[in-house]
Amino acid sequence: DAKTTQPPSMDCAEGRAANLPCNHSTISGNEYVYWYRQIHSQGPQYIIHGLKNNETNEMASLIITEDRKSSTLILPHATLRDTAVYYCIVKSPNAGNMLTFGGGTRLMVKP
Amino acid sequence: DAEITQSPRHKITETGRQVTLACHQTWNHNNMFWYRQDLGHGLRLIHYSYGVQDTNKGEVSDGYSVSRSNTEDLPLTLESAASSQTSVYFCASSTTSLGADTQYFGPGTRLTVL
Repeated sequence: DAKTTQPPSMDCAEGRAANLPCNHSTISGNEYVYWYRQIHSQGPQYIIHGLKNNETNEMASLIITEDRKSSTLILPHATLRDTAVYYCIVKSPNAGNMLTFGGGTRLMVKP
Repeated sequence: DAEITQSPRHKITETGRQVTLACHQTWNHNNMFWYRQDLGHGLRLIHYSYGVQDTNKGEVSDGYSVSRSNTEDLPLTLESAASSQTSVYFCASSTTSLGADTQYFGPGTRLTVL
């Protein structure tokens, strides 16, 4: 599976959009981009995933660049409850079903 | 509602004792996983299973074992607990659809080995 690079930490003002970047320059054609988050002391929570098209659900939007070498998770109106560590994971469906978690980005939403 | 549960939520044990952590899911998922998370670090895969009677070693499997006798449960056993196994343990389950899969995680078990 391709390696991902994320900034270790970011701040965001409450009510503003949080844009979390992820670099995955070695991604292969059949690898999906997944985003999970982990709120303090809780189990990780699935947010969204995509292959090459932009995706949106009730939690967030995922923007994948045309060359698929990077992506951005967008939380449109961040709240204090969105403070968490956000993990970007790239995985091939042919590589088994396990996830490899990196360091993630610690997002702090401030009042 | 379908869910995934872990028990106990907190456990304190002594070095050398055998410990079993339970994981139960009602999603009817074929795939189940055990991860550990040490303070300030990401999750690391211990063992996983793709179905009944199937088990596989993950990145950090030494000192741990699992068995899968039914779809709903994947208990994790520490054969002889060591202080290095003090950690938070997360169980997860998933099913694969349309070439991608999403994992659902339990609330975690905090294990302390004295």
